[in-house]
Amino acid sequence: SAVISQKPSRDICQRGTSLTIQCQVDSQVTMMFWYRQQPGQSLTLIATANQGSEATYESGFVIDKFPISRPNLTFSTLTVSNMSPEDSSIYLCSVLAVPYNEQFFGPGTRLTVL
Amino acid sequence: AQSVTQLDSHVSVSEGTPVLLRCNYSSSYSPSLFWYVQHPNKGLQLLLKYTSAATLVKGINGFEAEFKKSETSFHLTKPSAHMSDAAEYFCVVSDRPFAGDKIIFGKGTRLHILP
Repeated sequence: SAVISQKPSRDICQRGTSLTIQCQVDSQVTMMFWYRQQPGQSLTLIATANQGSEATYESGFVIDKFPISRPNLTFSTLTVSNMSPEDSSIYLCSVLAVPYNEQFFGPGTRLTVL
Repeated sequence: AQSVTQLDSHVSVSEGTPVLLRCNYSSSYSPSLFWYVQHPNKGLQLLLKYTSAATLVKGINGFEAEFKKSETSFHLTKPSAHMSDAAEYFCVVSDRPFAGDKIIFGKGTRLHILP
């Protein structure tokens, strides 16, 4: 299986600040994704992180608010910019591992914005 | 485009009784279907997956699901519930996950196990 780690595991931030979340995979993968899970809700896809090019964002999510980097096939970052309390969520990194025909998820980053 | 509907937001069963979590999907292709479980304050874990092989799929912890194309359903079942099964369950669909199609999550079903 693909093992995914995320940093930080949780954080409490002030309104107006930014937080960068890191995602590290133990193997090279083509497709990496970032999801948001708001309290008591399901997962919503924010964007697909593309290696060597700009991320592909879903409707309702924009690059200025959620800039994403993907410098190589094992690492990605998601920044939550100019945070407000509505950004309080769990943010999850995910990869699609072709050999296993399966999508794997990181443990998530629990963000609370005051 | 694909979509997925979990018909119940909450399901309560007594320990030792059968579990049924319902999921219907819509897909333009032969979809891949998954069930994930999320225990409180834990990460997502794959229970089982259907990818066009056998229609009855067996997963971990005694769970299984049957792909019924005629009914566009992929319901999750377990013969006998255990207290440790209390969690949130997500049905997930993707038309062509390895062709770049999105993977769509259902809204989730919270399973409560009564002693």
